[in-house]
Amino acid sequence: AQSVTQLDSQVPVFEEAPVELRCNYSSSVSVYLFWYVQYPNQGLQLLLKYLSGSTLVKGINGFEAEFNKSQTSFHLRKPSVHISDTAEYFCAVRPNTGNQFYFGTGTSLTVIP
Amino acid sequence: DADVTQTPRNRITKTGKRIMLECSQTKGHDRMYWYRQDPGLGLRLIYYSFDVKDINKGEISDGYSVSRQAQAKFSLSLESAIPNQTALYFCATGSQGFTGELFFGEGSRLTVL
Repeated sequence: AQSVTQLDSQVPVFEEAPVELRCNYSSSVSVYLFWYVQYPNQGLQLLLKYLSGSTLVKGINGFEAEFNKSQTSFHLRKPSVHISDTAEYFCAVRPNTGNQFYFGTGTSLTVIP
Repeated sequence: DADVTQTPRNRITKTGKRIMLECSQTKGHDRMYWYRQDPGLGLRLIYYSFDVKDINKGEISDGYSVSRQAQAKFSLSLESAIPNQTALYFCATGSQGFTGELFFGEGSRLTVL
């Protein structure tokens, strides 16, 4: 069975400060990893994904994430946030042998001017 | 036009009424999904379909049914709506390819009074 834990439900951060949104997963098989962003009143958009290869993945809008297999984590980072980054962020996994996606409960990022 | 279109975007109904949420896509994907989003619970899978003749239950299918009318259309029905089905519903599509990421519609907000 798979599960995804997003350790922080809400993260307030000042504009231009760095941010890290944490994601841990549990799986008995290898997984593909995803981060999605949901802006207010919109659907989810893919930020970045890890399929294989380099453990540091760069995505859109200056975000990056690092896959740590030993710690089963896939934390999302941005060195300097903007007001426009205020949104809900979801971590998701998909087993490499299956077709279902498993989502975390989301982290609400609020960027304070 | 959006690649994944959901109708209606907002709907208010009464307990016991039958409701249908529709999803159509122009991405040519064979896989379609219905998710439900509730605050603090993230996204939970209701049903998914890998082709017109393939329908599968997700983790919270009770009280819902689906119809895959064509490769591009996937409808979600609530036969007799109840207040705890008040939520934001998302349709998503995915390809069979290696990357296998999901593409989401903008959501249908359903309120059951």
